[in-house]
Amino acid sequence: DAKTTQPPSMDCAEGRAANLPCNHSTISGNEYVYWYRQIHSQGPQYIIHGLKNNETNEMASLIITEDRKSSTLILPHATLRDTAVYYCIVLFSGGYNKLIFGAGTRLAVHP
Amino acid sequence: GAVVSQHPSWVICKSGTSVKIECRSLDFQATTMFWYRQFPKQSLMLMATSNEGSKATYEQGVEKDKFLINHASLTLSTLTVTSAHPEDSSFYICSASRLAGDNEQFFGPGTRLTVL
Repeated sequence: DAKTTQPPSMDCAEGRAANLPCNHSTISGNEYVYWYRQIHSQGPQYIIHGLKNNETNEMASLIITEDRKSSTLILPHATLRDTAVYYCIVLFSGGYNKLIFGAGTRLAVHP
Repeated sequence: GAVVSQHPSWVICKSGTSVKIECRSLDFQATTMFWYRQFPKQSLMLMATSNEGSKATYEQGVEKDKFLINHASLTLSTLTVTSAHPEDSSFYICSASRLAGDNEQFFGPGTRLTVL
């Protein structure tokens, strides 16, 4: 699986958009980009995933660059409850796959 | 939908005893379940992958005789930490996938184990 690189921490003001970047320059053509988050002392929560098109759901938007070497998770209107560690993971689609968690980005949303 | 529970949510035990942690998929059948361990201020580390009715596949460095995994049904997997020691104190988290090939995993709330 391709390795990902994320900034260790970010801050965001409540109500503003939080843009979390992820580099995955070694991603291959059949690998998806997945985003999970973990709120303190809880199990991780699935957010969104995509292959090459931008994706949006009720939680977030995922923007993947045309060369697929990087992506950005966007929380359009961050709230205090979005404070968590966000993990960007690249996975091959097909068969059951192991989620290998990196260090992630610790997002702090402040009033 | 797609809720995963764990029991107990926390446990304290004496060194040398064994502890069993249950992971249940409440509203779906899980073809595959995963067990993770997380130490304070660190990321999740995958311990093993299990499919219903077959032996678990352990990650490198994880002792299969110490961390016994049983996946007897499509809704239940158990992790038994045998002869627990203080260094086994950690946050243990399970996850489940609904379908083979489905990368979306649903995580349990975790079990905090403290070994005295």
